Amino acid sequence: GEDVEQSLFLSVREGDSSVINCTYTDSSSTYLYWYKQEPGAGLQLLTYIFSNMDMKQDQRLTVLLNKKDKHLSLRIADTQTGDSAIYFCAEGDSGYALNFGKGTSLLVTP
Amino acid sequence: DTGVSQDPRHKITKRGQNVTFRCDPISEHNRLYWYRQTLGQGPEFLTYFQNEAQLEKSRLLSDRFSAERPKGSFSTLEIQRTEQGDSAMYLCASSLAGGPPGELFFGEGSRLTVL
Repeated sequence: GEDVEQSLFLSVREGDSSVINCTYTDSSSTYLYWYKQEPGAGLQLLTYIFSNMDMKQDQRLTVLLNKKDKHLSLRIADTQTGDSAIYFCAEGDSGYALNFGKGTSLLVTP
Repeated sequence: DTGVSQDPRHKITKRGQNVTFRCDPISEHNRLYWYRQTLGQGPEFLTYFQNEAQLEKSRLLSDRFSAERPKGSFSTLEIQRTEQGDSAMYLCASSLAGGPPGELFFGEGSRLTVL
């Protein structure tokens, strides 16, 4: 299948901004998603962006999409220890067969 | 708790045995999905139901795997003649047709260990 690539690990200090990057290969992707997985919990949709958008902001979250380079990023402003989790980038066109990356493990240190 | 629930949360079995997992979606959700997640990997799509109809199956779903959703509510995923490679977390998710695209509500998963 098509590939979704993410860096595996990111460590930031509390209060700093976190930027998690993702690249994908399927140019027909209609939507791109960021999911969060906390230990012992189910995946939770954080935000999504349509492929015809460049940016979407939702409170502390900013999603940037560079469709030409097939690059997606998630910026978390004022990162808190409660943001420590695994963040998955995913792409899809129909909304059901989502194609996930391997996830980026974010560690926020005090 | 009105979220997606899965049972059992953990199953240990010997190779060659059959196992069955159950998923109860959020009650008003008509779409139900099964994904599989192995250690260090993202979830991989297995299959999808809209109401009781199974509309899509991944090539990952070999003939040893069967999923049902007989009344359009709960679903079962059965694995026959388990192999060690089947060891994984099996995730169920549900969503509402017409809701935000890709807004899947995941359960906590059923972890399968095949010895």
